[in-house]
Amino acid sequence: AQSVTQLDSHVSVSEGTPVLLRCNYSSSYSPSLFWYVQHPNKGLQLLLKYTSAATLVKGINGFEAEFKKSETSFHLTKPSAHMSDAAEYFCVVSDSSGTYKYIFGTGTRLKVLA
Amino acid sequence: GAGVSQSPSNKVTEKGKDVELRCDPISGHTALYWYRQSLGQGLEFLIYFQGNSAPDKSGLPSDRFSAERTGGSVSTLTIQRTQQEDSAVYLCASSFIAFSSGTPRETQYFGPGTRLLVL
Repeated sequence: AQSVTQLDSHVSVSEGTPVLLRCNYSSSYSPSLFWYVQHPNKGLQLLLKYTSAATLVKGINGFEAEFKKSETSFHLTKPSAHMSDAAEYFCVVSDSSGTYKYIFGTGTRLKVLA
Repeated sequence: GAGVSQSPSNKVTEKGKDVELRCDPISGHTALYWYRQSLGQGLEFLIYFQGNSAPDKSGLPSDRFSAERTGGSVSTLTIQRTQQEDSAVYLCASSFIAFSSGTPRETQYFGPGTRLLVL
């Protein structure tokens, strides 16, 4: 069975400093992995996705993530945080058994300090 | 183009009443999913529709929950005899399976959700 573990429930960074949100996955298959962002009282927005092409994936708003099979990780990074990045971030693996339903991590709430 | 839409955006109901939540997927998307987001359980899968295939109902928490998808488009999630633990945000997503190298990969696009409060 597939699963994802987000290692930090809360992360605080200062504006202009790097962001690192950690995600580890478990999958018997070559996984499809995603990062979504949810701003307060808003829906889920796709940041980026990994689907077995390049291991370094670039997304929107300057975010990127690197798929590391040896470490079963898919950490999300951004070189310089902006106040507008404050939100909740979800790491997701797609169930490859046929339905492609999403299996969500528990989320990381990012706080950006002025 | 238009994204996934859901209605109502907010619903307050009394314990024991039935509620219907609606989802309008992106036109042309063949797959439709319902998820629930609650404080205690995080984001969890409820039900999946794909084309004319039988739906995957494995995530529905009880037989009070049901869903249908009419004409391969609009979907309605119905909760009968609502309980306070049903209070949550109900999210709908749709997707179109894209194939790459013979392996299906898909991205789901989410609606804004319906926030349900059962008093």
